[in-house]
Amino acid sequence: QSVLTQPPSASGTPGQRVTISCSGSSSNIGNNFVYWYQQLPGTAPKLLFYMNNQRPSGVPDRFSASKSGTSASLAISGLRSDDESDYYCAAWDDSLSGWVFGGGTKLTV
Amino acid sequence: EVQLLESGGGLVQPGGSLRLSCAASGFTFSSYAMSWVRQAPGKGLEWVSGISGSGGSSYHADSVKGRFTISRDNPKNTLYLQMNSLRAEDTAMYYCAKPPQAGYSGYPSYWYFDLWGRGTLVTVSS
Repeated sequence: QSVLTQPPSASGTPGQRVTISCSGSSSNIGNNFVYWYQQLPGTAPKLLFYMNNQRPSGVPDRFSASKSGTSASLAISGLRSDDESDYYCAAWDDSLSGWVFGGGTKLTV
Repeated sequence: EVQLLESGGGLVQPGGSLRLSCAASGFTFSSYAMSWVRQAPGKGLEWVSGISGSGGSSYHADSVKGRFTISRDNPKNTLYLQMNSLRAEDTAMYYCAKPPQAGYSGYPSYWYFDLWGRGTLVTVSS
């Protein structure tokens, strides 16, 4: 059981917009930044967003992220087949003094 | 080129020990906090441990506290994870990771994971 809650799966057709939610609590998302990672099969995770909504260079602007209270979300517009991947949210947890991840969302296009 | 290369994984019996290494190159290793993150087969990501650039402060997940120890040798540009009393549930790919910014030694909430290694597989089984 992950500390951060994500839907296990999401899907969409090419060109559509899809959102992935991440729910936490006041000790993690509510008081700290949220980070998003993309993991293609058989590869190491890749940082997709840092500090809630900051996009590293190289990440297309089709991807966006936001945070409100103890929840966060990742949105992907103009879906492409190569967006098929696992997506994880993460945050520091003040109560646990450690990093916590969501269980991951498998996106199918 | 900035790079992280893990090694030391393998097959170990329950109750056994293993030491993982992560060789860093292309950046001033001692200036960066480092972390270990693992992923069990077919499962999600789980943070294991983090350590400041100087090695003066470290943090461990409750699931490994008392069994795993993170350390670093800055002159050798190497991060370690000593794993003792291994259990079947420790079976996973272990990644080392670094944040994009140097410093923030006293702020582990800034030690997020930007660059990742390719991982080393640990299998705990009899």
